[in-house]
Amino acid sequence: NAGVTQTPKFQVLKTGQSMTLQCAQDMNHEYMSWYRQDPGMGLRLIHYSVGAGITDQGEVPNGYNVSRSTTEDFPLRLLSAAPSQTSVYFCASSPQESSYNEQFFGPGTRLTVL
Amino acid sequence: DAKTTQPTSMDCAEGRAANLPCNHSTISGNEYVYWYRQIHSQGPQYIIHGLKNNETNEMASLIITEDRKSSTLILPHATLRDTAVYYCIVRRYSGAGSYQLTFGKGTKLSVIP
Repeated sequence: NAGVTQTPKFQVLKTGQSMTLQCAQDMNHEYMSWYRQDPGMGLRLIHYSVGAGITDQGEVPNGYNVSRSTTEDFPLRLLSAAPSQTSVYFCASSPQESSYNEQFFGPGTRLTVL
Repeated sequence: DAKTTQPTSMDCAEGRAANLPCNHSTISGNEYVYWYRQIHSQGPQYIIHGLKNNETNEMASLIITEDRKSSTLILPHATLRDTAVYYCIVRRYSGAGSYQLTFGKGTKLSVIP
């Protein structure tokens, strides 16, 4: 299993540009989520999905869109990038909720918005 | 949500036990305590979790006080590769079959040769 994969690893955008951060997992996990991490900060939840066709907002959803058309993929879209969205983005997945909820994280995408 | 409080940083000598404390005085009866760690620039890694009993796995031990208001993560024989930021997280249920993890700033553990 490749686990959770994210592409690209690095990206530089200009203000106003759009892009999609890709996330895929091959573990057949129902739950997937996107976090952002700013310097010296912990991770903050952007959006999450409990299964294909179902998404919901996390703590900091503004400026981001998501969709979940398949179990495997959970892309994060920036429609009009802003410098405040410069951050490291992590995707995570986990099996259906239970008392045991280990989340598996991808390696991250480092995004700079100029 | 139950908040957690952790020291900003700690040092530990290589080969010694690292004891990382966490306070979560407002924890609810059905909330679990999770520990994750993040080695420099990598994605966080799950370590261990528990509800009320002490837990042990191949990576660490988790000691939860009887009143559940605090816990301690123990790395029995710290190595240089254990240098990381350690997050203590209380998992809350956010409805609609979802579970969110709220990451604070964590404790930066430095293992010293």
